Amino acid sequence: GENVEQHPSTLSVQEGDSAVIKCTYSDSASNYFPWYKQELGKRPQLIIDIRSNVGEKKDQRIAVTLNKTAKHFSLHITETQPEDSAVYFCAAKRYNFNKFYFGSGTKLNVKP
Amino acid sequence: EPEVTQTPSHQVTQMGQEVILRCVPISNHLYFYWYRQILGQKVEFLVSFYNNEISEKSEIFDDQFSVERPDGSNFTLKIRSTKLEDSAMYFCASRFRGETQYFGPGTRLLVL
Repeated sequence: GENVEQHPSTLSVQEGDSAVIKCTYSDSASNYFPWYKQELGKRPQLIIDIRSNVGEKKDQRIAVTLNKTAKHFSLHITETQPEDSAVYFCAAKRYNFNKFYFGSGTKLNVKP
Repeated sequence: EPEVTQTPSHQVTQMGQEVILRCVPISNHLYFYWYRQILGQKVEFLVSFYNNEISEKSEIFDDQFSVERPDGSNFTLKIRSTKLEDSAMYFCASRFRGETQYFGPGTRLLVL
């Protein structure tokens, strides 16, 4: 089955700096890669996703890049704000399968 | 905007007791999921449900677990004989035909 690894486990940045979180996956048939933000005690919420036919996707301060050859994808947050502080999870899913495989999470702390 | 709802928000039970966790997915969604998140750890897939049957399940989802969609709106997870290690947050999620899944707020289960 798929194995998703996520790094780093914790990330501390100064407000206004950029943050990058990386995930690798093992199953070359995975073709959908969402990123979730989970604030303390809350539900995971989708913030951005990318499909394997695209190399990059942006939404305001958030971007995701995908390297299919190397089997890794990254979340980039620019101009970080204290409200970006949360745990971020990556995930991978194979086309026509229902199961989502999650990474272990990155706790992002944005210092004001 | 429609949301996935879950009840109860918290459940405390004695080891060996049965618990039923309830979810109401978004009304036109077709795929339903249960996930588990032990405190401070990653989101773990338990089971997916489509077309009134289990489509995939993880190794965690053993004979102690079962799911049902009894009435076309509710989606339940039953744990027959709870163990201490079942203490976790349980999230329900649903999606339509696309890949985007929406999580419920979770049920925090504590087994004493």
